[in-house]
Amino acid sequence: QQQVKQSPQSLIVQKGGISIINCAYENTAFDYFPWYQQFPGKGPALLIAIRPDVSEKKEGRFTISFNKSAKQFSLHIMDSQPGDSATYFCAPQYLEGGYQKVTFGTGTKLQVIP
Amino acid sequence: NAGVTQTPKFQVLKTGQSMTLQCAQDMNHNSMYWYRQDPGMGLRLIYYSASEGTTDKGEVPNGYNVSRLNKREFSLRLESAAPSQTSVYFCASSPPRGSTEAFFGQGTRLTVV
Repeated sequence: QQQVKQSPQSLIVQKGGISIINCAYENTAFDYFPWYQQFPGKGPALLIAIRPDVSEKKEGRFTISFNKSAKQFSLHIMDSQPGDSATYFCAPQYLEGGYQKVTFGTGTKLQVIP
Repeated sequence: NAGVTQTPKFQVLKTGQSMTLQCAQDMNHNSMYWYRQDPGMGLRLIYYSASEGTTDKGEVPNGYNVSRLNKREFSLRLESAAPSQTSVYFCASSPPRGSTEAFFGQGTRLTVV
């Protein structure tokens, strides 16, 4: 059962444009909705995260929009820059038995061209 | 702070050889994890350890064993490597209270020939 569907698989955006990546989930137990950013040769690192009691969170150029009823959340990158070129993963999770039960999306490779 | 440190960074094994991937964290986290990352498949959980002295299977445990040596260290062992275990392996840790971010190491790129 695929619990998390991330789209698109890849994305090419012009510098200054808006990048949008979507994540749909099935498990209503998820209570933390992060996006991770991964550069080549590095481990994923938390970019921004939201909890289900709010519908939107903004940190600089990065915004998460959350739709609880539709079981979807998305990452918006405003004024995209070449330095944003990376792979992005949604990773909804919940705490069970003392550990974070995380389900990773399959990733979106973003390329921002000058 | 070093965060999560993995060794080695690269490794080539022959089919049937064994090896241990090492992971250590200095953030006093209770929970530690081993993931593998394959193209187009995201990260998949191999094993996890909710606290010192406990380990449990994740999504893809076959062919692997783990040891939670102490609170800081969590190792992953391949007893008899197979080409299907060619992958990038990541160790991660997280604090126990509430759902929160995981901190990842730099990864180990393993090739089994």
